[in-house]
Amino acid sequence: DAGITQSPRHKVTETGTPVTLRCHQTENHRYMYWYRQDPGHGLRLIHYSYGVKDTDKGEVSDGYSVSRSKTEDFLLTLESATSSQTSVYFCAISESDRENQPQHFGDGTRLSIL
Amino acid sequence: AQSVAQPEDQVNVAEGNPLTVKCTYSVSGNPYLFWYVQYPNRGLQFLLKYITGDNLVKGSYGFEAEFNKSQTSFHLKKPSALVSDSALYFCAVTGANNLFFGTGTRLTVIP
Repeated sequence: DAGITQSPRHKVTETGTPVTLRCHQTENHRYMYWYRQDPGHGLRLIHYSYGVKDTDKGEVSDGYSVSRSKTEDFLLTLESATSSQTSVYFCAISESDRENQPQHFGDGTRLSIL
Repeated sequence: AQSVAQPEDQVNVAEGNPLTVKCTYSVSGNPYLFWYVQYPNRGLQFLLKYITGDNLVKGSYGFEAEFNKSQTSFHLKKPSALVSDSALYFCAVTGANNLFFGTGTRLTVIP
């Protein structure tokens, strides 16, 4: 398995609070991604990073921000959590952005917002 | 825009029988297609990919996939299903800095 650790694995919080999820990798891969998984939608890209301090938006970025201060860490922040952000969040990494390269996924964070 | 569709939410197959999980794609340009598997409470695991070349792609755990350009399909297959193959399967296609996933097919292998 790729060396990807997501923390926390489970979190319950209240509407309006800020939440930060962490992805840590030991593979020294340049590219990191955050997805959310919802029934009926598969996985959808929230944000991705192509290097330290280099990030860009995915298809469902509203209400989320990211930061990458070190190669190994990619943080996802929900600035003011809403119930619609209840989901399972996955981090992924890849060695390059070439379209033929697979991504490798962490085990996810299950986030519930009450 | 790149997209994939998985027409079956659920597939049931008896242990030892061949299995097929269907995927169709819509892309502009050359398709780069992937299959992933997800076990309970785990992330997605890469199974195989189609880039170019042979239409039959072999992957992990005895799985293979058949690329069919005329039918725009990329079906996942295995000659003999195991109970341990029961999981959620996702087809995906690459776009600009993104993987576009299907909605997933839950495979249940019945002993």
